[in-house]
Amino acid sequence: QKEVEQNSGPLSVPEGAIASLNCTYSDRGSQSFFWYRQYSGKSPELIMFIYSNGDKEDGRFTAQLNKASQYVSLLIRDSQPSDSATYLCAVNGNSTGAGSYQLTFGKGTKLSVIP
Amino acid sequence: DAGVTQSPTHLIKTRGQQVTLRCSPKSGHDTVSWYQQALGQGPQFIFQYYEEEERQRGNFPDRFSGHQFPNYSSELNVNALLLGDSALYLCASSLAYQGYSPLHFGNGTRLTVT
Repeated sequence: QKEVEQNSGPLSVPEGAIASLNCTYSDRGSQSFFWYRQYSGKSPELIMFIYSNGDKEDGRFTAQLNKASQYVSLLIRDSQPSDSATYLCAVNGNSTGAGSYQLTFGKGTKLSVIP
Repeated sequence: DAGVTQSPTHLIKTRGQQVTLRCSPKSGHDTVSWYQQALGQGPQFIFQYYEEEERQRGNFPDRFSGHQFPNYSSELNVNALLLGDSALYLCASSLAYQGYSPLHFGNGTRLTVT
């Protein structure tokens, strides 16, 4: 059974610091990886996705992927109180075709940015 | 450009009843997936519809069924509701056969079974 593991937290960081969120996955054939942010009582919002080994940067966010270690991470630079939310890691085992939208999610890491 | 829309926002049902949830995909999208998110958990895949057919199904019983209409909108039906069906039900849309097309979620329907 495919599994995605995340530290549930809470992870507390001071405002302006770097928040580091980690995720491991069990299916070595996984092709694409997603980070979603979810505020309490709201639906998940896509932050970033990554498919190739290495780093991908978008503004204050950097996603890092290491397929050999089956590890994906999200770095948030200059953390703001508005970044306080639960961050969900999701993994897709099939990159193309009509079956490519079955994401396996972790339970999420709750991030708290302290002013 | 309208995103994914779901209705109703909240719903309260009694154990044993049946419920229907509705979803309209983002403009231009043709594939709809449904997820169940229990409190404190990540979303779990229920099933996915494309070309009005169920294409993939997660580990959910037959009490969960769905439908996709020619305009790509979709319904999720749950029969014989159990207390454990209380959750946030999320609809996500995407464009099939586009490779790395991320899912975009609607605001969800909060179902409470009493």
